[in-house]
Amino acid sequence: DAKTTQPPSMDCAEGRAANLPCNHSTISGNEYVYWYRQIHSQGPQYIIHGLKNNETNEMASLIITEDRKSSTLILPHATLRDTAVYYCIACEISSGSARQLTFGSGTQLTVLP
Amino acid sequence: DAGITQSPRHKVTETGTPVTLRCHQTENHRYMYWYRQDPGHGLRLIHYSYGVKDTDKGEVSDGYSVSRSKTEDFLLTLESATSSQTSVYFCAISVKGAGGTEAFFGQGTRLTVV
Repeated sequence: DAKTTQPPSMDCAEGRAANLPCNHSTISGNEYVYWYRQIHSQGPQYIIHGLKNNETNEMASLIITEDRKSSTLILPHATLRDTAVYYCIACEISSGSARQLTFGSGTQLTVLP
Repeated sequence: DAGITQSPRHKVTETGTPVTLRCHQTENHRYMYWYRQDPGHGLRLIHYSYGVKDTDKGEVSDGYSVSRSKTEDFLLTLESATSSQTSVYFCAISVKGAGGTEAFFGQGTRLTVV
């Protein structure tokens, strides 16, 4: 699976958009980009994933560059409850098994009041 | 939470004692996983299961065994607990959807080996 690089920490003002970058320059054509987050002491929570098209759901938007070497997770209106560690993962997941999910260090996002 | 329940949520045990953690799911998902999380290491896969009685090792399986006799239960056993197994343990299931596969995690079990 491709290695991902994320900044260790970021701050964002409450109510503003939080843009979390992720670099995955060695991603292969059949690897998805997944984003999870982990709020302190809780289990990781799925946010969104995509292959090459931009994706949006009720939680966030995922923007993947055309060359797929990087992506940005966007939380459009960050709240204090969005303070968490955000993990970007690039992996090939098929057939329903997620054992390829490898969680690195992630980005600690702190939403400031 | 995809119907995942971990028990116990907290446990303190002595070195050398056996410990079993339970993961229970209510939605008949095929794949189940056990991870541990330690500072500086992120989440690391211990064992996973792809069906009843079908299990395989993950990245950090030494000192752990698992069993899955029913679809809904995935048990993680520390045969003889050591202090290095003090950690937070997460169970997960994965669900295949139209656009890919998503993993859902339990709330974790905090295990302290003294």
